[in-house]
Amino acid sequence: GNSVTQMEGPVTLSEEAFLTINCTYTATGYPSLFWYVQYPGEGLQLLLKATKADDKGSNKGFEATYRKETTSFHLEKGSVQVSDSAVYFCALKVGTGANNLFFGTGTRLTVIP
Amino acid sequence: DTAVSQTPKYLVTQMGNDKSIKCEQNLGHDTMYWYKQDSKKFLKIMFSYNNKELIINETVPNRFSPKSPDKAHLNLHINSLELGDSAVYFCASSQVGEGKWAPLHFGNGTRLTVT
Repeated sequence: GNSVTQMEGPVTLSEEAFLTINCTYTATGYPSLFWYVQYPGEGLQLLLKATKADDKGSNKGFEATYRKETTSFHLEKGSVQVSDSAVYFCALKVGTGANNLFFGTGTRLTVIP
Repeated sequence: DTAVSQTPKYLVTQMGNDKSIKCEQNLGHDTMYWYKQDSKKFLKIMFSYNNKELIINETVPNRFSPKSPDKAHLNLHINSLELGDSAVYFCASSQVGEGKWAPLHFGNGTRLTVT
């Protein structure tokens, strides 16, 4: 089946610290992988994506590399800011159907000054 | 110019009542969704609707019923509300034809509290 497992939170970091949020997946077929971010009081927004193995998605200083050999898509940022405090969701999508987007449980990140 | 808008933002009601949450998207997308986010932030799909086809998650109680008057709207009606229905409900849309990487666009959520 298709599923996403991401590290349990919450994660608390000091400003300018290095961030890693782990995400691994199982999928039938060849999935596309995504990270979504949910800021307080808002809906989810697409942060970055990768559509095939070895692709690197990047946005706002965040990066994630699609690793087929380890079935992983870990989210990283070299220097977090207070404004990065949010809940981060890893997700995978298989095919083009409407009902085949699978989310992880979310990881809450709090960045303190 | 909100892309996906849902109303109300907050909804407080008593057990047993019937309520609706409305969702509208102005992106011209062909597919809309309802997600439920529970207290642990776990996001679960409830329904997706693509013009001609309604896909229902079988784990969703039949007290929940989506209604789509047109492809820009997907409303969620809930009958006989229960305490366990308290959650944040997110509407989303996407253009499935853009390929498998097409992102979802989410509304800001409706926080439902059942007392």
